[in-house]
Amino acid sequence: EIVLTQSPGTLSLSPGERATLSCRASQSVSSSYLAWYQQKPGQAPRLLIYGASSRATGIPDRFSGSGSGTDFTLTISRLEAEDFAVYYCQQYGSSPMYTFGQGTKLEIK
Amino acid sequence: QLQLQESGPGLVKPSETLSRTCTVSGDSVSRSSYYWGWIRQPPGKGLEWIGSIYYSGSTYYNPSLKSRVTISVDTSKNQFSLKLSSVTAADTAVYYCARHYNSFDDWGQGTLVTVSS
Repeated sequence: EIVLTQSPGTLSLSPGERATLSCRASQSVSSSYLAWYQQKPGQAPRLLIYGASSRATGIPDRFSGSGSGTDFTLTISRLEAEDFAVYYCQQYGSSPMYTFGQGTKLEIK
Repeated sequence: QLQLQESGPGLVKPSETLSRTCTVSGDSVSRSSYYWGWIRQPPGKGLEWIGSIYYSGSTYYNPSLKSRVTISVDTSKNQFSLKLSSVTAADTAVYYCARHYNSFDDWGQGTLVTVSS
């Protein structure tokens, strides 16, 4: 089973700043099979990025994904108040099997 | 527009079977080439994939839960269901249904299911 480790656990930034969130896999992951989600309190997760770098429908272009192999990154270029939330990465593996990272909480500084 | 609506008891006793149903509107569980899956989230914790059913009827389960999980489809009602047997307090979580392929594109609103006597 591939384990996804997200860092940092908590990221404290101010609106307008740039956020960089990391997701590291214990084994190589196909870029096609890496996704990012945003979750706000009391809500279901929302798909932001699929295929490591493709934005889902309706996602603003300040959100971008990159990476390959075992290291993936979600970048939010200029934080807005609505972006403060918990972010999860997720991978799809053979069998099939789906695993999530433990999450990064993005909080207002 | 796709909508996923979960239903089922919000309180289950230890050792009993947890049952959830997801009613789909805006797509067909039997014709769409998507997976229909269940994910759970214990209070204050992260996300765990439970299992999924493909439109063809094939099922796939998380190995850590496989011995206790059954996912099925009712095409006449355009629903898919989750049964989790022999529950304990560790199974207390928000349970989500979702439509997915490699990523989970669409989610139900989620419902907290509490395991307690």
